[in-house]
Amino acid sequence: DQQVKQNSPSLSVQEGRISILNCDYTNSMFDYFLWYKKYPAEGPTFLISISSIKDKNEDGRFTVFLNKSAKHLSLHIVPSQPGDSAVYFCAALNSNYQLIWGAGTKLIIKP
Amino acid sequence: EPEVTQTPSHQVTQMGQEVILRCVPISNHLYFYWYRQILGQKVEFLVSFYNNEISEKSEIFDDQFSVERPDGSNFTLKIRSTKLEDSAMYFCASRRGGSVYNEQFFGPGTRLTVL
Repeated sequence: DQQVKQNSPSLSVQEGRISILNCDYTNSMFDYFLWYKKYPAEGPTFLISISSIKDKNEDGRFTVFLNKSAKHLSLHIVPSQPGDSAVYFCAALNSNYQLIWGAGTKLIIKP
Repeated sequence: EPEVTQTPSHQVTQMGQEVILRCVPISNHLYFYWYRQILGQKVEFLVSFYNNEISEKSEIFDDQFSVERPDGSNFTLKIRSTKLEDSAMYFCASRRGGSVYNEQFFGPGTRLTVL
């Protein structure tokens, strides 16, 4: 089973507050996870990644947390800015080095 | 900043027709990919390409699909006889050599509409 799940199709957050996007996976063999951001009419853009040997990776306003026992990862954006409004995809690299994607979460940052 | 480009941005075709979707990967990249996203569904891996041959392909990538790097810059996806269910956004991606964990850079996509 190679599913990656993003159960929230959309999320609305006030500007300046924290945005938390969640992702679950079912295959315990996944060892590398990525977050991509996508604006309308553009391709996905890599945001941040995490290896399964870590439980946290931080890059500026973006932090990804990995809970291997729960097969769960989350992306935190703080503080949220209007330009963060986009669709966020969680993806995992499988044993064939293919990206397995979640369905995406549309993040809306309210001014 | 170098980027992956794709043409056309939107392709409309009749069912049964052949289409070729074109991509120009970033010039020093060695690995190339095609993905598709049917409206309202997940992005799906189709195929990866390295050293002028397919390295991995998904079950979606059947005999109707083929890829080619006809010259030093283009990377194409051909669908021989399009079906209605081929309507989707098709994304090309490329990455440089080295670690498989190196970032894949995506193009803006081609919207394929099969009538």
